[in-house]
Amino acid sequence: DAGITQSPRHKVTETGTPVTLRCHQTENHRYMYWYRQDPGHGLRLIHYSYGVKDTDKGEVSDGYSVSRSKTEDFLLTLESATSSQTSVYFCAIRNQVAGVYNEQFFGPGTRLTVL
Amino acid sequence: QKEVEQNSGPLSVPEGAIASLNCTYSDRGSQSFFWYRQYSGKSPELIMFIYSNGDKEDGRFTAQLNKASQYVSLLIRDSQPSDSATYLCAVNGGSQGNLIFGKGTKLSVKP
Repeated sequence: DAGITQSPRHKVTETGTPVTLRCHQTENHRYMYWYRQDPGHGLRLIHYSYGVKDTDKGEVSDGYSVSRSKTEDFLLTLESATSSQTSVYFCAIRNQVAGVYNEQFFGPGTRLTVL
Repeated sequence: QKEVEQNSGPLSVPEGAIASLNCTYSDRGSQSFFWYRQYSGKSPELIMFIYSNGDKEDGRFTAQLNKASQYVSLLIRDSQPSDSATYLCAVNGGSQGNLIFGKGTKLSVKP
């Protein structure tokens, strides 16, 4: 258990509404990631963080923003949700104990439906 | 664009057989390689990682890496129905530890 929780676990919302997903970790890892997973596309990186207030874009960042004000929390915000953002969202942390080997461990996921 | 390719399957093997899952990657500079297992409706779970050419064994799982040919494979010996899942190959893609994932191969082990 990598000590990662995500909330909410399921959410249904309407087009145009803002949505914030939360990732919480208990093990003080520096690196945190947000992915989305869609049939036919696999896991794709949205944004990542390499420290408090240090974030960067991933492959599919358009329409998403992130914030990290504390080591343990990494928030993903959809400013105005669209149906194309219906997906399963996974948070991941990077295991720094292993050094440069970059293993990532995933949270349980959030299933988001935008109607 | 760095890419990781996997056969989507489904790959079907009988119980007790060896399942062979393959993955190719485009970035010759990649240094670390990972196999994740994902059950339906669940999150990916790390099962193996490999950094050096050759084989790495862990129980019924063997990861094989050939950097010259840019492929990595996962062998599952004595396959069990509980091994039925989607297997994701991932390759490190940058200095910040980012991983690039393949789309996954769905494995079905028939009793």
